[in-house]
Amino acid sequence: EDKVVQSPLSLVVHEGDTVTLNCSYEVTNFRSLLWYKQEKKAPTFLFMLTSSGIEKKSGRLSSILDKKELFSILNITATQTGDSAVYLCARYNNNDMRFGAGTRLTVKP
Amino acid sequence: DAGITQSPRHKVTETGTPVTLRCHQTENHRYMYWYRQDPGHGLRLIHYSYGVKDTDKGEVSDGYSVSRSKTEDFLLTLESATSSQTSVYFCAISEVTGGPGTQYFGPGTRLLVL
Repeated sequence: EDKVVQSPLSLVVHEGDTVTLNCSYEVTNFRSLLWYKQEKKAPTFLFMLTSSGIEKKSGRLSSILDKKELFSILNITATQTGDSAVYLCARYNNNDMRFGAGTRLTVKP
Repeated sequence: DAGITQSPRHKVTETGTPVTLRCHQTENHRYMYWYRQDPGHGLRLIHYSYGVKDTDKGEVSDGYSVSRSKTEDFLLTLESATSSQTSVYFCAISEVTGGPGTQYFGPGTRLLVL
């Protein structure tokens, strides 16, 4: 099996909260783990992770990969209403991209 | 935003009719992909192309065919549309220099098969 499982499926928070989104996968041999943000349109790229334990940051967003435990997390600090979206994770190997079903984040004012 | 357009953006068709969706890029990227997105399934890869006339199947390729006669265009054809092919279709592009798996998506085509 080659599933990518995201949790939680949905999450409602208030502005200013910190959230952690989870992504677990099953294959051990892959080239990268990616995070995308999808508002009511096309997914937009957030992070690409290839090495275990190295955090990537972009403003209030950060992500890390654990290849031993087969998971990745996406953290968002000081959430804003503009962070409301579906967050997708995907594992990539040789043109084969497998996405999780996504986590729907709603940030209330 | 990456220069990717999809046409049509919306389409309603009837079961059994052929449908062709077009993806056009102005980035000269080597790789192009077609995905479908359905509730509860996320994005699933249909077909991809790694160069002109070079294509391969993805996870859910049954009932779909593709063609790429020019670097900038990647066509997805439903030979005989079925209701199960009602979905939102996204095209994506990537280049080796962007990092493994870093893809940029088009705006999507919403297809309804009645």
